[in-house]
Amino acid sequence: NAGVTQTPKFQVLKTGQSMTLQCAQDMNHNSMYWYRQDPGMGLRLIYYSASEGTTDKGEVPNGYNVSRLNKREFSLRLESAAPSQTSVYFCASRTGTSYNSPLHFGNGTRLTVT
Amino acid sequence: QQQVKQSPQSLIVQKGGISIINCAYENTAFDYFPWYQQFPGKGPALLIAIRPDVSEKKEGRFTISFNKSAKQFSLHIMDSQPGDSATYFCAASAPFSGGYNKLIFGAGTRLAVHP
Repeated sequence: NAGVTQTPKFQVLKTGQSMTLQCAQDMNHNSMYWYRQDPGMGLRLIYYSASEGTTDKGEVPNGYNVSRLNKREFSLRLESAAPSQTSVYFCASRTGTSYNSPLHFGNGTRLTVT
Repeated sequence: QQQVKQSPQSLIVQKGGISIINCAYENTAFDYFPWYQQFPGKGPALLIAIRPDVSEKKEGRFTISFNKSAKQFSLHIMDSQPGDSATYFCAASAPFSGGYNKLIFGAGTRLAVHP
């Protein structure tokens, strides 16, 4: 089982460029999430999708958009990249949204915006 | 209110020693406290979790101690091994809108276990 697959693994963008981070899970999970990880700040939720067809903002949604393409795929788009968006981005999924449903993370996309 | 404060930022322990990582919270609505372990180049993975109705949970060498009145919880790694070297995140879960349980992460602790 691949679990949660993220592409690309690394990306360098110039300020103002756009890109889409891809995420797919093969565990038949209902909910999917995008987090960013910055030194000293832990993991912060950008957007989530509790189920296919729904998306909601997390703690730090500004500058991002998401698409829940189908049950397997959840993409994150940066329309006009800024240096403040330099970070490691993690996609995660879990069976449901209840408190004890563990998150399964991908291996991350390291994004640098110059 | 929504923060989870984690300390220390980094920790160096000798092989065989005890590693202790502490977390504190303010929001009494938090009702589930997981710990995630992250190895370099990988995503975090659930290590162990506790509910606030118990004071301790042990799984192998890993133990969570929970103090509800002090709003603090900690991870203890007994007989620490070099393979335990990783970043550890505490987290707290609270009901959010639409039936979703929001997970708030601490800032992380980078643990290095020296042989």
